[in-house]
Amino acid sequence: SQQGEEDPQALSIQEGENATMNCSYKTSINNLQWYRQNSGRGLVHLILIRSNEREKHSGRLRVTLDTSKKSSSLLITASRAADTASYFCATITGANSKLTFGKGITLSVRP
Amino acid sequence: NAGVTQTPKFQVLKTGQSMTLQCAQDMNHEYMSWYRQDPGMGLRLIHYSVGAGITDQGEVPNGYNVSRSTTEDFPLRLLSAAPSQTSVYFCASSPPGRTQETQYFGPGTRLLVL
Repeated sequence: SQQGEEDPQALSIQEGENATMNCSYKTSINNLQWYRQNSGRGLVHLILIRSNEREKHSGRLRVTLDTSKKSSSLLITASRAADTASYFCATITGANSKLTFGKGITLSVRP
Repeated sequence: NAGVTQTPKFQVLKTGQSMTLQCAQDMNHEYMSWYRQDPGMGLRLIHYSVGAGITDQGEVPNGYNVSRSTTEDFPLRLLSAAPSQTSVYFCASSPPGRTQETQYFGPGTRLLVL
């Protein structure tokens, strides 16, 4: 069953613009993670935010978490063509270590 | 370190054939898992293992078997392939003590069942 749902499903922006992707989830979480997948490749872990955190930064990435709304946002600033990829949010719930992934967002950054 | 490796990269099977997808990691990770990725479905967990000799089912285990005889290897077996198993399969592993914090993914195996 899908825990995380990303929005929008697809996003196309110009190089240099910011990209904002959203993820909503259904049940309380331990943490929320964002992964990137380049075409034909495996997923790469980008950033993790814990349930008691509200915002984290990593380079050009900024992730926020609103547990009251059960939602998270991933912001990529000053996007580059190399950021073109699919982005997935994934959540860990309870004591188990199983990640549950959303369906993903396809980001296209036009040069 | 090679990280997480998967073989083969591509495979075509006929319905009813069996095969094993190989997964290995050289990072001494205890936690390993198998996912399948289908268009519009995201990644779904098939089986996982928290250490050698221990395996458990994920969200979509039917039609798949796993074993974990060593820390390094976590093969996924399809005993009688079906067209519904056409998918891209990813193996992943997590460092000790960080199982809930990050997973390292292999490059994937694309499987087509005719």
